[in-house]
Amino acid sequence: AQSVTQPDIHITVSEGASLELRCNYSYGATPYLFWYVQSPGQGLQLLLKYFSGDTLVQGIKGFEAEFKRSQSSFNLRKPSVHWSDAAEYFCAVGVPNNAGNMLTFGGGTRLMVKP
Amino acid sequence: EPEVTQTPSHQVTQMGQEVILRCVPISNHLYFYWYRQILGQKVEFLVSFYNNEISEKSEIFDDQFSVERPDGSNFTLKIRSTKLEDSAMYFCASKGFRTEAFFGQGTRLTVV
Repeated sequence: AQSVTQPDIHITVSEGASLELRCNYSYGATPYLFWYVQSPGQGLQLLLKYFSGDTLVQGIKGFEAEFKRSQSSFNLRKPSVHWSDAAEYFCAVGVPNNAGNMLTFGGGTRLMVKP
Repeated sequence: EPEVTQTPSHQVTQMGQEVILRCVPISNHLYFYWYRQILGQKVEFLVSFYNNEISEKSEIFDDQFSVERPDGSNFTLKIRSTKLEDSAMYFCASKGFRTEAFFGQGTRLTVV
């Protein structure tokens, strides 16, 4: 079965600084990969996704992520963080051609932004 | 922009009572899901539903849980006899063919 690890439970960055959130997955082939963001009391909003093709994917709000097959990673990056980016970020994997098409989520990384 | 709608946003119920959580998926989507997130923990898959039947379910989804798509637009999750440990945020999601899953805002269930 697939699994997802987000090694950093909490990260604090200064506004304007760059950001990288780590995500590692375990799966025998190339999965579908997603990053979702959850603001306090809100639902899950998709930031970006990887299905196939170009390993560097662009998302909303200036985020990007790079799929590295050799490292089984899909790290999320942003060059300059804004205070409104403070939220919880979840990496998720989906299994291609799986009947249920369900997602397996990592434990999340809570991002705090210092002024 | 189409969205997944969940009602209610917050429900408080007494232990042992039945609850029904409601969801209106995006209209042309084919796959429907329920996930839950216990406070401070990761989002966990409960069940997926396709072609009017359950396609996959997790260990969490025991006999106390059921899902239904009663009228072609709503998708419901019923918990027959709630327990304290059922307290969580429940997310509905829907997905089209070859699209990502879209999540609702969630229903916070509090069992007292």
